[in-house]
Amino acid sequence: GENVEQHPSTLSVQEGDSAVIKCTYSDSASNYFPWYKQELGKGPQLIIDIRSNVGEKKDQRIAVTLNKTAKHFSLHITETQPEDSAVYFCAASNYGGSQGNLIFGKGTKLSVKP
Amino acid sequence: EPEVTQTPSHQVTQMGQEVILRCVPISNHLYFYWYRQILGQKVEFLVSFYNNEISEKSEIFDDQFSVERPDGSNFTLKIRSTKLEDSAMYFCASSTGTVNTEAFFGQGTRLTVV
Repeated sequence: GENVEQHPSTLSVQEGDSAVIKCTYSDSASNYFPWYKQELGKGPQLIIDIRSNVGEKKDQRIAVTLNKTAKHFSLHITETQPEDSAVYFCAASNYGGSQGNLIFGKGTKLSVKP
Repeated sequence: EPEVTQTPSHQVTQMGQEVILRCVPISNHLYFYWYRQILGQKVEFLVSFYNNEISEKSEIFDDQFSVERPDGSNFTLKIRSTKLEDSAMYFCASSTGTVNTEAFFGQGTRLTVV
């Protein structure tokens, strides 16, 4: 089955700096790659996603890149702010129908220092 | 904004007891999911449910687990005989199931087995 690896497990940056989180996946059939942000005591919330027919997607300060050949995808946050501090999870889906059968990475705890 | 709601927010139960975790998915969604997150670990897929039947399940979802949609709004996860290792945060999620939609997660139920 699918396996998703995520690095780093913790990341500390200064406010205004960029943050990059990387994930690799094992199943070449995976075709949907969302990123979730989880704040303390809350459920995961989708912040951006990318499908296998696209190499890059951007939404304001957040961008995701996908390299299908190498089976890795990355989250880039620019101009980080203290409210970006949270745990970020990457995920992959290898089911053709619903895209909620997600295999998650272990998460990255991002701390943005003011 | 529509949201997935889960009750209770925290449940404490004795080992061997049955528990039922409840979820109200977003009303026009067709796919429903349960995930769990053991403290400090990644979010793990348990089961997906569509058209009143299980569509996929993971190795974690053994005979002790069952899901049900008893009426038009609720989606429940039952654990028949809880074990200490069942202690985790359980998340319900739902999606419309079409290609370009995300899975929305609830806030979770923290299950503590003592």
